[in-house]
Amino acid sequence: DAGITQSPRYKITETGRQVTLMCHQTWSHSYMFWYRQDLGHGLRLIYYSAAADITDKGEVPDGYVVSRSKTENFPLTLESATRSQTSVYFCASGPTSFSYNEQFFGPGTRLTVL
Amino acid sequence: AQSVTQLDSHVSVSEGTPVLLRCNYSSSYSPSLFWYVQHPNKGLQLLLKYTSAATLVKGINGFEAEFKKSETSFHLTKPSAHMSDAAEYFCVVSDRDTNAGKSTFGDGTTLTVKP
Repeated sequence: DAGITQSPRYKITETGRQVTLMCHQTWSHSYMFWYRQDLGHGLRLIYYSAAADITDKGEVPDGYVVSRSKTENFPLTLESATRSQTSVYFCASGPTSFSYNEQFFGPGTRLTVL
Repeated sequence: AQSVTQLDSHVSVSEGTPVLLRCNYSSSYSPSLFWYVQHPNKGLQLLLKYTSAATLVKGINGFEAEFKKSETSFHLTKPSAHMSDAAEYFCVVSDRDTNAGKSTFGDGTTLTVKP
């Protein structure tokens, strides 16, 4: 199916564990993004990527790691999960710079860190 | 630097009445502006966008927004609310000349539509 998918959709983990959230898009978009959504904060950019092997920090990158070895995949890893990382995580992609084009969002991953 | 303020965290209207969701922005350069809608437990969907063409922008589902540079506003309107419009709405700003790939989201406005 064409589009952008995220897995898992729901995840419960414990403090200190490593967690990887997956994002896959079928449009061959150059740009991909990771956001977190918390009550009262809207969406905040964690990391983004302009192309394979090119990544850059967003507004709230601490505690997260990303990689992009293939254009279609953009995994987000929490190396040692903390309770403050409990959130809903959205992946998005876009054909060029976001300044000119919309982003296409995945359905989200709800992560709970106990 | 860029920022966006959604002036109302909650808006409640009756079905068939007009909708107004307010957004003010700050941008050091020429901004691109977007409105997204998020229905419960769903991802975000683009409603409309302004990227320096016409200042009155029409979007999907009867929504429109007007870019007013003098007021630094980009308010979202709809003449007649429908029950299916109940959702969370986000205003987004992105400086077109810098920080390609970075954008700033407002905190969101929850729209409730009463029958």
